Amino acid sequence: QSVLTQPPSASGTPGQRVTISCSGSSSNIGSNTVNWYQQLPGSAPKLLIYNDDQRPSGVPDRFSGSKSGTSASLAISGLQSADEADYYCATWDDSLSGHMVFGGGTKLTVL
Amino acid sequence: EVQLVQSGAEVKKPGESLKISCKGSGYSFTSYWIGWVRQMPGKGLEWMGIIYPGDSDTRYSPSFQGQVTISADKSISTAYLQWSSLKASDTAMYYCARQSSAANSLDYWGQGTLVTVSS
Repeated sequence: QSVLTQPPSASGTPGQRVTISCSGSSSNIGSNTVNWYQQLPGSAPKLLIYNDDQRPSGVPDRFSGSKSGTSASLAISGLQSADEADYYCATWDDSLSGHMVFGGGTKLTVL
Repeated sequence: EVQLVQSGAEVKKPGESLKISCKGSGYSFTSYWIGWVRQMPGKGLEWMGIIYPGDSDTRYSPSFQGQVTISADKSISTAYLQWSSLKASDTAMYYCARQSSAANSLDYWGQGTLVTVSS
């Protein structure tokens, strides 16, 4: 059972907008910034969004992040087949001397 | 260009020891935390711990404390993850990743090391 809760799956058709949620608590999302990672099949994870809503250089602006209270969301607009991947939210948790925690991951299928 | 290059796949028997490595290049290795992340077959990402190569300050996830040892040799820009006695349940892909200096994010990742533990 992951500390951060994500839906196990999401789907959309090309061109659509999809959102993936990430729910936590006051000790993690409620007091620290959230990051999102994309893991394409057979590849290492890649940083997609950091500090709640910032995109690293090279990440298309079709990807956006937001946070409110103890929940965060990743939105993908103009969905493409290349976006089919697993997506993970992550943040720091201040409990037990502090440690990083990941969500369980959401498998995005482009129909 | 920042790169993290991990050692190759390993096949071990239960009870054996193992040390895998992660070599950083293209940045000041001693100035960034390096983390380790486990991914069991078909499962999600799990943060194991991090080390600051500059002074070897190390933090562990409560789930992995006592189960593994994280270390670093700053003279060769390499971080390590080791086990003293492997179990079948240690079978997984292990990634190292650099922690960003400006955020708690992992901004560069190694290619992963597959560890298989089987009798």
